Amino acid sequence: NAGVTQTPKFQVLKTGQSMTLQCAQDMNHNSMYWYRQDPGMGLRLIYYSASEGTTDKGEVPNGYNVSRLNKREFSLRLESAAPSQTSVYFCASSEAAVVGAFFGQGTRLTVV
Amino acid sequence: GQQLNQSPQSMFIQEGEDVSMNCTSSSIFNTWLWYKQDPGEGPVLLIALYKAGELTSNGRLTAQFGITRKDSFLNISASIPSDVGIYFCAQPIRGSNYKLTFGKGTLLTVNP
Repeated sequence: NAGVTQTPKFQVLKTGQSMTLQCAQDMNHNSMYWYRQDPGMGLRLIYYSASEGTTDKGEVPNGYNVSRLNKREFSLRLESAAPSQTSVYFCASSEAAVVGAFFGQGTRLTVV
Repeated sequence: GQQLNQSPQSMFIQEGEDVSMNCTSSSIFNTWLWYKQDPGEGPVLLIALYKAGELTSNGRLTAQFGITRKDSFLNISASIPSDVGIYFCAQPIRGSNYKLTFGKGTLLTVNP
């Protein structure tokens, strides 16, 4: 049971570099999410996709773009990384918010 | 917007002690979710609550949906070292079937 798989697990970027975080789920869920986790801040929603073909902004979308490639895959792109984007990024999927979401293991990103 | 306040922010206890933490919401809603995040991992759903006054157990963990509908409690009995981690409460965002909002978490440390 893979669940939600994120790649890479660790990444170091220089300021201004770009990269894409990949996420795939095998639970046939309609909804997928990207969160970031910073010390003392909990989990903050960056973007979400309620269903294939749709995406919408969350609480902290600035500096990020997303693509819902198909029902399984939801990627997060940093076009020009900044030190403020140093964080742990989690992808999640869900059938409905009331039953909760399943999370990947996270990507630890450092921007220097 | 809907805000979840968790307390305490952190706890340091001895193995074998009981633990109690809580979460309060700025809004009345009909769902409470409790997650645990092990160090270096993504959050995992522990317990879901859907009715005021509901009491649900998962092993040594017990969660309750407060009768005011604006709070929830999580208790851990006879703590063990593997209980270490961050415990989050979460709720669906009012008006959305898809988005979840999280509290900032309670960091639990268990001293063997």
